[in-house]
Amino acid sequence: QKEVEQNSGPLSVPEGAIASLNCTYSDRVSQSFFWYRQYSGKSPELIMSIYSNGDKEDGRFTAQLNKASQYVSLLIRDSQPSDSATYLCAVINQAGTALIFGKGTTLSVSS
Amino acid sequence: GAGVSQSPSNKVTEKGKDVELRCDPISGHTALYWYRQSLGQGLEFLIYFQGNSAPDKSGLPSDRFSAERTGGSVSTLTIQRTQQEDSAVYLCASSLVPSGDQFFGPGTRLTVL
Repeated sequence: QKEVEQNSGPLSVPEGAIASLNCTYSDRVSQSFFWYRQYSGKSPELIMSIYSNGDKEDGRFTAQLNKASQYVSLLIRDSQPSDSATYLCAVINQAGTALIFGKGTTLSVSS
Repeated sequence: GAGVSQSPSNKVTEKGKDVELRCDPISGHTALYWYRQSLGQGLEFLIYFQGNSAPDKSGLPSDRFSAERTGGSVSTLTIQRTQQEDSAVYLCASSLVPSGDQFFGPGTRLTVL
């Protein structure tokens, strides 16, 4: 079983819609979760981190964490064409020394 | 302030040659990480440094790979006797504290011919 799983997509949404990106993880003791955005040919850019169950909002982005279901999601409200990128979910490993990344979901926002 | 910087941005080398990649973390960040990203492979962890603690080398794929961090700041990743499968983007990240938010540098694209 892969440690962090994401649907590769592409996920296509129209401009102004809500994009929902999902991620599941296998290690029940994971404590820290991260969402990164990566444009083609660029390095990953941190969107937000989440540590506690529930929702965390930052501008148009909301991260949701459910540790019981081992599930973390990212909602992007009012999606813009500039949001078109690959979104990477990551979980800190048990030792706290490395991020374990999913393969990423490609989001395409059409104008 | 300045982000993580890496050099060179691109490196083309011949199979069997040694290469050195450099990372300069965000000032004040105590933790430094190396990852690599290959086509179709995703991001994989290589090595972690934290202060004066022994590094976590568990992600290094072979003994041809080594890294050091001098003075708790700049780090160098060395790949000896490069192979074609070493071709990838090598990314460095730093965080203020262990397990904290990691910020990535622009990466070094390594091509082994």
